[in-house]
Amino acid sequence: EEQLLESGGGLVQPGGSLRLSCTASGFTLSNYAMTWVRQAPGKRLEWVSTISSDAGGTFYADSVKGRFTISRDNSKNTLYMQMISLRAEDTAVYYCAKGGFWNGYFSSWGQGTLVTVSS
Amino acid sequence: EIVMTQSPATLSVSPGERATLSCRASQSVSSNLAWYQQKPGQAPRLLFYGASTRATGIPARFSGSGSGTEFTLTITSLQSEDFAVYYCQQYNDWPRAFGQGTKVEIK
Repeated sequence: EEQLLESGGGLVQPGGSLRLSCTASGFTLSNYAMTWVRQAPGKRLEWVSTISSDAGGTFYADSVKGRFTISRDNSKNTLYMQMISLRAEDTAVYYCAKGGFWNGYFSSWGQGTLVTVSS
Repeated sequence: EIVMTQSPATLSVSPGERATLSCRASQSVSSNLAWYQQKPGQAPRLLFYGASTRATGIPARFSGSGSGTEFTLTITSLQSEDFAVYYCQQYNDWPRAFGQGTKVEIK
């Protein structure tokens, strides 16, 4: 069974940093593009960033460009999101999801990790 | 940037009835359209990709149709487990974009 497990969320002050991780099991991460999607409380899903299977290509939403960096370690079956200069509007549940590059839809999702940016 | 608009925002339906949800793209996305179901406190689940291809394990009472800018998700004979929020998402271009969702609630 495919599973994605996010970790690393928490409470951080505005301007602070956080690194999210997503560990995959039940499939070979290196064969798939991976994506981060976030959802602010009561709001719609928002695509954040996608990385190709070999990490050769990355895409970012304008709202996070220059502040967030997506990366992956296929040997550890893990996806990452380094977030700096965090703002209140970055408060959301962050989901990692399988897919998003050539096949631009998301076939599996983790349960999410909550990031709260507040003083 | 492609903007996705869903209607209605809320749909009140009785169990056993049919629900029809709409999704409109601000420009053509061909058939590069996915639908997801999200229940409270849960992650989204893929229902359809390619506008009309059912994902693994999705019951036949769900159907997807459309191309270009107009898409429809139909649920025939609503079951209790179908009451949820449904999102469409285009993947024809970057940035990937979701609609604002349609909540299907019990009438």
